[in-house]
Amino acid sequence: SAVISQKPSRDICQRGTSLTIQCQVDSQVTMMFWYRQQPGQSLTLIATANQGSEATYESGFVIDKFPISRPNLTFSTLTVSNMSPEDSSIYLCSVVGLASGADTQYFGPGTRLTVL
Amino acid sequence: AQSVTQPDIHITVSEGASLELRCNYSYGATPYLFWYVQSPGQGLQLLLKYFSGDTLVQGIKGFEAEFKRSQSSFNLRKPSVHWSDAAEYFCAVSNQAGTALIFGKGTTLSVSS
Repeated sequence: SAVISQKPSRDICQRGTSLTIQCQVDSQVTMMFWYRQQPGQSLTLIATANQGSEATYESGFVIDKFPISRPNLTFSTLTVSNMSPEDSSIYLCSVVGLASGADTQYFGPGTRLTVL
Repeated sequence: AQSVTQPDIHITVSEGASLELRCNYSYGATPYLFWYVQSPGQGLQLLLKYFSGDTLVQGIKGFEAEFKRSQSSFNLRKPSVHWSDAAEYFCAVSNQAGTALIFGKGTTLSVSS
C-alpha cells in the first residue's frame, strides 16, 4: 500500500521563527490537504494544496501565515510562519487518489509542533 | 453548512463488551461519511466509509457502522472491544468523494479490564 511520510515528525521552535513541514507520498495522488489539530481538539482544514498553482485556504487561514507549495503530484510543504505558542499543534497532510481508495482521504503520521 | 456532532466526549467500556459510538451529521444531500481512529501519538487510520448502497458497512478491526438517513446518523459499533481499541475516534463528512473533510470533535474510548 502507499506510504505517506511527513518530516519532521516533531519539533520544538522558538516564537517568531518559521518551520517548513514536508509531506511525501510514494505514488501520485490527485488531491493533497493540510489539517491542524490543536491540543485536545479535532482536525481543522487549513488548505487544499493545488499542484502547480496557489493553495486554496479555508476561512481563518491566510497564505502569509501558512504558505503552501505543491510542485508535483507526490510532494507538498506547509510552512508555519512567525510562530507563536498558539501555533502549537499537530499538522497533518492527507491525500486522495491512492490506488487503495481513489475517493478516500488517507493521512500522514503528523508533525507535532511545540512553540515556546 | 455541513457539521458533524459526536455527543460523547469520553466513553469507558469493559474489555469484551460491545461498543457504540454516536455520530450525527447535518447535510442536505447524501453525505460521504467516514470513521477514523487515532491512537496516541499516531496519525489517523481509516476504519470504514459510506458513500452509497448497503447502509451497514464493514470496516477493519471488526468495526461496522450503520447509515440511518432518517436519523442523520452514522454510528460506529463493535461487538467485543479489545484493550487495543483504546484510542480517539473521529467521525467525518464530505459533500463529494475526495474533497475536504469536516470532522467531529472526537470520542475518546477507554477500555477497562
